[in-house]
Amino acid sequence: DSGVTQTPKHLITATGQRVTLRCSPRSGDLSVYWYQQSLDQGLQFLIQYYNGEERAKGNILERFSAQQFPDLHSELNLSSLELGDSALYFCASSVSLRGAVDTQYFGPGTRLTVL
Amino acid sequence: GQQLNQSPQSMFIQEGEDVSMNCTSSSIFNTWLWYKQDPGEGPVLLIALYKAGELTSNGRLTAQFGITRKDSFLNISASIPSDVGIYFCAGHPETSGSRLTFGEGTQLTVNP
Repeated sequence: DSGVTQTPKHLITATGQRVTLRCSPRSGDLSVYWYQQSLDQGLQFLIQYYNGEERAKGNILERFSAQQFPDLHSELNLSSLELGDSALYFCASSVSLRGAVDTQYFGPGTRLTVL
Repeated sequence: GQQLNQSPQSMFIQEGEDVSMNCTSSSIFNTWLWYKQDPGEGPVLLIALYKAGELTSNGRLTAQFGITRKDSFLNISASIPSDVGIYFCAGHPETSGSRLTFGEGTQLTVNP
């Protein structure tokens, strides 16, 4: 158990819909990262939040957005869903002490299926 | 962006054999991490490397941070059936701050 929790574990929805994925980081971790893993691709970095603020952006679509709340949990919002958005979505967290490159610990993931 | 070339893509071995896989890049990395992922689960951190030349073990696993800072390898000794899974290398490129770059993964199958 990494200490990172994600809900829900599975999500099935229809095209055009909007969903919200939730992540709680390990206790004491300030950074939250979101990744997408599709069958035909590896782990793709989407976005990072540090202590409530966006720190880095990766291959995140404009239809997707995220935020990190004062209690440090994070939500990833996916809207206008398409079939190709079906994937595993992982959250990871790290301490991110200033100036240090640190290790990310992953949650169990949310499997999103868009029908 | 930075690319990580991980090889081999897949391995089929007999229980008890040793395994070696590696990652290379044309860019310099500040850290190297090795993760294992079981089907439908999140990646689990196996070993983290922070300095060039560092050699670290975790049970039957050994990993090294290459001296050039552009490569890393992972060895698994005396493999057992529960070693089955996908192994990912990952690293922090020198120019990308806290963003992790992942290799494509090595699918390991261990035959009893």
